[in-house]
Amino acid sequence: AQTVTQSQPEMSVQEAETVTLSCTYDTSESNYYLFWYKQPPSRQMILVIRQEAYKQQNATENRFSVNFQKAAKSFSLKISDSQLGDTAMYFCALEQGAQKLVFGQGTRLTINP
Amino acid sequence: NAGVTQTPKFRILKIGQSMTLQCTQDMNHNYMYWYRQDPGMGLKLIYYSVGAGITDKGEVPNGYNVSRSTTEDFPLRLELAAPSQTSVYFCASSYSSRGEAFFGQGTRLTVV
Repeated sequence: AQTVTQSQPEMSVQEAETVTLSCTYDTSESNYYLFWYKQPPSRQMILVIRQEAYKQQNATENRFSVNFQKAAKSFSLKISDSQLGDTAMYFCALEQGAQKLVFGQGTRLTINP
Repeated sequence: NAGVTQTPKFRILKIGQSMTLQCTQDMNHNYMYWYRQDPGMGLKLIYYSVGAGITDKGEVPNGYNVSRSTTEDFPLRLELAAPSQTSVYFCASSYSSRGEAFFGQGTRLTVV
């Protein structure tokens, strides 16, 4: 079975600092997609960044970047120059075909002013 | 751009009652999904559909039914509601098997 594990239930940093959220996963597939989703208090699920497993280059989206270690099955999210609006739950997700997603339990991130 | 629209946003059900959660998307996506999110947890897949007339079970399908008669609509039916079905329900859609999933704003359901 495919699983996703986020080992940090909560994290807190000061505004403008850099923060890294951890995610490990398990899959027997050789080609797959990994995602980070943000869920603010509004409850909306917002795609932050995605990584295709066959691409060796780490994905980046403005202040968000990932460190994808395929052999270690690790997929961490780095947020640079954190902002108050980054406060949210962050979910790591693994795609298991037909865009069916397996989610981790989430990390609650708080950015303090 | 409406995207994925879910109704209702909130609902309280009594044990044993039934209801249908509505989901519609206006992006002409073939793939649609229903997830549930229990407090403090990630989302879990209930059912999904890869096109009109085709549905399949996800990880936690018991107590639910779905239908997909049109590309736009993917309703989720709860029969004989139980307290274990208290959760937030999300509908999502995707234009392909490798495309980004777009989520609705969720329905908070409480069964008492």
